[in-house]
Amino acid sequence: TAGITQAPTSQILAAGRSMTLRCTQDMRHNAMYWYRQDLGLGLRLIHYSNTAGTTGKGEVPDGYSVSRANTDDFPLTLASAVPSQTSVYFCASSEVPSGNYEQFFGPGTRLTVL
Amino acid sequence: GQNIDQPTEMTATEGAIVQINCTYQTSGFNGLFWYQQHAGEAPTFLSYNVLDGLEEKGRFSSFLSRSKGYSYLLLKELQMKDSASYLCAAMDSNYQLIWGAGTKLIIKP
Repeated sequence: TAGITQAPTSQILAAGRSMTLRCTQDMRHNAMYWYRQDLGLGLRLIHYSNTAGTTGKGEVPDGYSVSRANTDDFPLTLASAVPSQTSVYFCASSEVPSGNYEQFFGPGTRLTVL
Repeated sequence: GQNIDQPTEMTATEGAIVQINCTYQTSGFNGLFWYQQHAGEAPTFLSYNVLDGLEEKGRFSSFLSRSKGYSYLLLKELQMKDSASYLCAAMDSNYQLIWGAGTKLIIKP
């Protein structure tokens, strides 16, 4: 079982360009999450989705958008990248409704905005 | 506000025992998680406590005191492969995780 996959592994992006980070899970989990991780800071929630067709804003949603068209995929889009969005981005999933709250993480995408 | 505090860095010796503390303040509480993260890798689940007390899982144990807003992760018989960051996260009333900045554990031979 692959678990959660993310693409690309890393990317260098010019400021002002748009980009979509891909995330796919094969565990049929209802809930999915996007976090960013910066040195010296904890993981910060960008957006989440409790079930297909619904999304919500996390702690740091500005400059990012998400969609959840089906259970497996949860792409994160940067419409116009800025240098402060340089970070490592992790996608995660969990099967919340069952009472199992453990979050499983993808391998991450390292993004540099110049 | 919501806040998680844990030490930035700790050093221990191979074969020894180390305790990593975490204090939390959240809007509601639905449990406390510990994750391990090796450099350049994704976090991986270690433990989940929702009731007071100690949960033991092999060389790792996790403790929770809800009344004190306090948890610790205890690592015994330290091995070099335990060198990693240890992330404390509390689940709030919306079932969202609030994360600490992580404790970098350095193991010396």
